[in-house]
Amino acid sequence: KNEVEQSPQNLTAQEGEFITINCSYSVGISALHWLQQHPGGGIVSLFMLSSGKKKHGRLIATINIQEKHSSLHITASHPRDSAVYICAPVGGETSGSRLTFGEGTQLTVNP
Amino acid sequence: EAQVTQNPRYLITVTGKKLTVTCSQNMNHEYMSWYRQDPGLGLRQIYYSMNVEVTDKGDVPEGYKVSRKEKRNFPLILESPSPNQTSLYFCASAAGGVYNEQFFGPGTRLTVL
Repeated sequence: KNEVEQSPQNLTAQEGEFITINCSYSVGISALHWLQQHPGGGIVSLFMLSSGKKKHGRLIATINIQEKHSSLHITASHPRDSAVYICAPVGGETSGSRLTFGEGTQLTVNP
Repeated sequence: EAQVTQNPRYLITVTGKKLTVTCSQNMNHEYMSWYRQDPGLGLRQIYYSMNVEVTDKGDVPEGYKVSRKEKRNFPLILESPSPNQTSLYFCASAAGGVYNEQFFGPGTRLTVL
């Protein structure tokens, strides 16, 4: 069983909608990455956070280390946000030098 | 431009024919890592390196070798490829380690027949 669970696995939205993607993990960690994988396959880092909330443009990431949960929010979604979003916890039983990944959430935003 | 490059981008080969996928970064990063991505399994770490001459196994190291002789390069070696190594491979680098922003290469799609 994957120790990192993302939900939903697939998400279709209309342009302008507020999007939430969730990431839960079963082991203690100290930080978490959110990554975006473009339709062409390239992967970019969106956030790395260890507590509270971070915001970048229309993207907001939150984390509660004790509750073992993180969320990625997209406000005013746009078709260019269509991508796979992947969470990757760091530390704890996954070891401080290794990343473990969720399977990803496929987001499609229709115009 | 700060980047991680991988070569080749696409490769079709046959079982048992040794191959090397190169990875190079121009950001003077200490940390480099290799991942494979498979449908239904997501990204999984193969090997990582904290610095020159320091490498360690990730979650799925079997069938792979790496070396880190120079800071900028971290090649992935498949001594005797098998069909179950058909996958999409990503190299990544970061300053310091996994607690910093990860920079990914464009990916190498490998098919082993």
